[in-house]
Amino acid sequence: GIQVEQSPPDLILQEGANSTLRCNFSDSVNNLQWFHQNPWGQLINLFYIPSGTKQNGRLSATTVATERYSLLYISSSQTTDSGVYFCAVGEWDGGTSYGKLTFGQGTILTVHP
Amino acid sequence: DAMVIQNPRYQVTQFGKPVTLSCSQTLNHNVMYWYQQKSSQAPKLLFHYYDKDFNNEADTPDNFQSRRPNTSFCFLDIRSPGLGDAAMYLCATSTRGWGYSNQPQHFGDGTRLSIL
Repeated sequence: GIQVEQSPPDLILQEGANSTLRCNFSDSVNNLQWFHQNPWGQLINLFYIPSGTKQNGRLSATTVATERYSLLYISSSQTTDSGVYFCAVGEWDGGTSYGKLTFGQGTILTVHP
Repeated sequence: DAMVIQNPRYQVTQFGKPVTLSCSQTLNHNVMYWYQQKSSQAPKLLFHYYDKDFNNEADTPDNFQSRRPNTSFCFLDIRSPGLGDAAMYLCATSTRGWGYSNQPQHFGDGTRLSIL
């Protein structure tokens, strides 16, 4: 199956700092999502971005599918950004897997005031 | 206006006592998924339904079963919970797009299961 690697595993920031999280994947994908899991365990969908660039407020994401990586940018970080950021991908398999997502191990982000 | 609803948010059961977790959706999506997430780990797919077509992951234990009586509801049954089954259980939905394209998955808030 497809392999998904996220880096860095841990990231500690001061409030107001910028950061870049990376997701590498081992095979072609037709789905890529970035999630934020908050301390209560809720998985919040940030971006659906199998290719291209998207922005939503202080967050933006870029996926370069041909080079098999995606980046999540967080600008002017806030304490509420703390939590675990997951990248999850769906393999391109002719539709046999019905969109199964494989998750990376996540990046634990801590933002200090 | 919650779209994927999981009940309850927290569930406590006894070792070996069957437990059922529920998921409902208002999105009318044809695919529903159950993921298990253990502490400090990534979510892992247990199984999914495409309409009424059930698909089990190869490494999902036989202790876990699922039912989908209609489009809106899906249940996760754990027949004899062991201590290792304590986890967050996440339900998700999506649509099967045209030409085998995949669509984003929408997750519920999860049910955190504890085993005594």
